[in-house]
Amino acid sequence: EPEVTQTPSHQVTQMGQEVILRCVPISNHLYFYWYRQILGQKVEFLVSFYNNEISEKSEIFDDQFSVERPDGSNFTLKIRSTKLEDSAMYFCASRVSGGLNTGELFFGEGSRLTVL
Amino acid sequence: RKEVEQDPGPFNVPEGATVAFNCTYSNSASQSFFWYRQDCRKEPKLLMSVYSSGNEDGRFTAQLNRASQYISLLIRDSKLSDSATYLCVVNPFGYQKVTFGTGTKLQVIP
Repeated sequence: EPEVTQTPSHQVTQMGQEVILRCVPISNHLYFYWYRQILGQKVEFLVSFYNNEISEKSEIFDDQFSVERPDGSNFTLKIRSTKLEDSAMYFCASRVSGGLNTGELFFGEGSRLTVL
Repeated sequence: RKEVEQDPGPFNVPEGATVAFNCTYSNSASQSFFWYRQDCRKEPKLLMSVYSSGNEDGRFTAQLNRASQYISLLIRDSKLSDSATYLCVVNPFGYQKVTFGTGTKLQVIP
């Protein structure tokens, strides 16, 4: 069964360092997402990406964050200068369709980021 | 009002019990509705989509009330394996953003 894969599964970094989280969405999916979940809290929307550009982003997704689909396969989330409060589980998700026929979001297993 | 609101629980129920969760949403333009399940420290996984006419999948029944802007999930004959957090998920028409509720924690007790 096709799945969304994420790497690394866990990353520990020092405050102020840059971090790149990688995702390989399901191959025929067109819509890509990043969510985050701080321990014990809700799953929060960060950004959606379609047709090689950001379609929506939340207030959390400030100038420190960026996304890229560099090669038609990978979908990356970059945090330029990490803060302590960026410590969370980051989930990548993808789905086939959007608009009128919104379909199921498929999630990767997540990348746990710990900022020290 | 929060975009998607759920009672966080926990709901502690004995095996075999019937339990129901509700979820309210604020955006009347919401188009698509889902229930996801999340096990501890795992990714969310789709439990079922919620259709206007209501739908059933085995022991699980989902209902949508657009007038009152809430959706519900009913679990019959609870199993120990049903213990998880149940996430209400809403997608407004014309938007890509998919919003999750805080989740309702269910613990099924032997």
